[in-house]
Amino acid sequence: SQQGEEDPQALSIQEGENATMNCSYKTSINNLQWYRQNSGRGLVHLILIRSNEREKHSGRLRVTLDTSKKSSSLLITASRAADTASYFCATGPPYGGATNKLIFGTGTLLAVQP
Amino acid sequence: DGGITQSPKYLFRKEGQNVTLSCEQNLNHDAMYWYRQDPGQGLRLIYYSQIVNDFQKGDIAEGYSVSREKKESFPLTVTSAQKNPTAFYLCASSNSGRNYGYTFGSGTRLTVV
Repeated sequence: SQQGEEDPQALSIQEGENATMNCSYKTSINNLQWYRQNSGRGLVHLILIRSNEREKHSGRLRVTLDTSKKSSSLLITASRAADTASYFCATGPPYGGATNKLIFGTGTLLAVQP
Repeated sequence: DGGITQSPKYLFRKEGQNVTLSCEQNLNHDAMYWYRQDPGQGLRLIYYSQIVNDFQKGDIAEGYSVSREKKESFPLTVTSAQKNPTAFYLCASSNSGRNYGYTFGSGTRLTVV
């Protein structure tokens, strides 16, 4: 079952612009994570935000989480051609869950034009 | 360097054959996972294991089997019962507990010929 749903499905921008992707989910969560996947490769973990956090930064990445709206956004500032990839959100189990089982969304395909 | 290795990178299977995909990690992670990725459908969980000699079914376990005899290894067998096995298979591992990210392997692309 899919928990997260990313929006937009695809995004094309020019190098130097900012890219914003959104993720909505359905049930309560313990944390939300973002991953990047280059074509034909495995996923790479970017950032984790816990359910009691509202914003987190890592380099050019900024993640926000609104648990009342069950949504998160990933902002990539000053994008580069190398940022071209698919981006997935993944939600961790709700508080009290015994596992670290993540449920992944369907992804946003980002193309950064040089 | 610590990491997670999947092999082979490409695999071709004839109709009616079982094939086994390898996944090995040297990160000392307790938990390991297998996902299937089809175009436009994101990742779907096949099986996961939180500890040696124990594993649980994910959302799409039918036609697949796994074992976890060693902490480092979590092989996936795609059996002939899996009617549509052509896909990209991803293995991942993580620390146990609920606030850890996953480390993924580079994937195995399985094609039925």
